[in-house]
Amino acid sequence: AQKVTQAQTEISVVEKEDVTLDCVYETRDTTYYLFWYKQPPSGELVFLIRRNSFDEQNEISGRYSWNFQKSTSSFNFTITASQVVDSAVYFCALSEANSGNTPLVFGKGTRLSVIA
Amino acid sequence: DAGVIQSPRHEVTEMGQEVTLRCKPISGHDYLFWYRQTMMRGLELLIYFNNNVPIDDSGMPEDRFSAKMPNASFSTLKIQPSEPRDSAVYFCASSLREYTEAFFGQGTRLTVV
Repeated sequence: AQKVTQAQTEISVVEKEDVTLDCVYETRDTTYYLFWYKQPPSGELVFLIRRNSFDEQNEISGRYSWNFQKSTSSFNFTITASQVVDSAVYFCALSEANSGNTPLVFGKGTRLSVIA
Repeated sequence: DAGVIQSPRHEVTEMGQEVTLRCKPISGHDYLFWYRQTMMRGLELLIYFNNNVPIDDSGMPEDRFSAKMPNASFSTLKIQPSEPRDSAVYFCASSLREYTEAFFGQGTRLTVV
């Protein structure tokens, strides 16, 4: 069964610090997709990124970057020069593809607090 | 597009009452999902539809829960009778096709007293 582990329950950083949110996944499928979502205090879930299992290139989008390593089954998320607006709960999710479409399975989330 | 639209945003009801949550997915999306979020269990998938057909309802906690999708632009999640342990935020999401990202509505915060 697929599983996503976000070991960090809460992280607190001071503004402008870099922070990395960890995500480790388990799957037996060779084809799968990984996602990150942001849930700000207002409550909605905002899609950030989708990655397929065949593309291990790191991705950078502004202050956000993602490091996908199949060897360690990890898909970590780094925020550079954090800002107060980055304060939110961040979820990593997995969708398997070999056995038909499986909807997103989410980790328990990491609550990030950025202090001014 | 306006995104996934859920109603109501907040619902407070008494135990034993019927509750109906509504969702309008993004136009053209083939998949619709209902998730529930609680502090204890996180985000759980309840049921999902493909082209209006329920595919997997194994996450529906009890027979008190039912979901329908009568057409491509509307879905309901019904709880009858409601219980205090059903209190949670219920999210509806839709995706264009399989393996693509799901876009979430703003959620319905349900409180059963």
